[in-house]
Amino acid sequence: EAGVAQSPRYKIIEKRQSVAFWCNPISGHATLYWYQQILGQGPKLLIQFQNNGVVDDSQLPKDRFSAERLKGVDSTLKIQPAKLEDSAVYLCASSLERVSSYEQYFGPGTRLTVT
Amino acid sequence: LAKTTQPISMDSYEGQEVNITCSHNNIATNDYITWYQQFPSQGPRFIIQGYKTKVTNEVASLFIPADRKSSTLSLPRVSLSDTAVYYCLVGAPNNQGGKLIFGQGTELSVKP
Repeated sequence: EAGVAQSPRYKIIEKRQSVAFWCNPISGHATLYWYQQILGQGPKLLIQFQNNGVVDDSQLPKDRFSAERLKGVDSTLKIQPAKLEDSAVYLCASSLERVSSYEQYFGPGTRLTVT
Repeated sequence: LAKTTQPISMDSYEGQEVNITCSHNNIATNDYITWYQQFPSQGPRFIIQGYKTKVTNEVASLFIPADRKSSTLSLPRVSLSDTAVYYCLVGAPNNQGGKLIFGQGTELSVKP
């Protein structure tokens, strides 16, 4: 089975520019997550989708970050304008709707460098 | 959400058994214990999940004492390729909608 796909793998931008990341989850997975992982830290959840609806976006900096999951399949995360502190790896994960499981499947991530 | 505490780093040698212990004193009745592994430049990978006693799969074993205030991930006969960061997570997927709260993790270094 194909894994979670993300693109691009690397991105370098200047502060105040905008950037977008794309994620295609595993086929049939209803739940999609975006995480931010700063170097040396564990991943932090930014937003969670159930099909095309938002379940949790409490830690998404909504003044500059936005995400959508049209048609309940692939998703896009955007940052506009970027700040230096946004430099991190952005991970996408997906999971089946399964009772009592934390089994999420992660993509390889997009490494963002803001200069 | 129950807070977890685990060692920042551990060293081991090839062929040894490695046990990583995680403390979660405030674990709730409905909480499960889940472990993830992360290699450099990759996303985390689910290893094992348990509620009580012992769980074993082809990769690892998870030991949970009766009071559930701690858990131990056991990796048998590690190899160099087991060098990674290991995260212990505690929570109730049903109540939290699958929200994972990652700590800093334990950086395991396996030497030849």
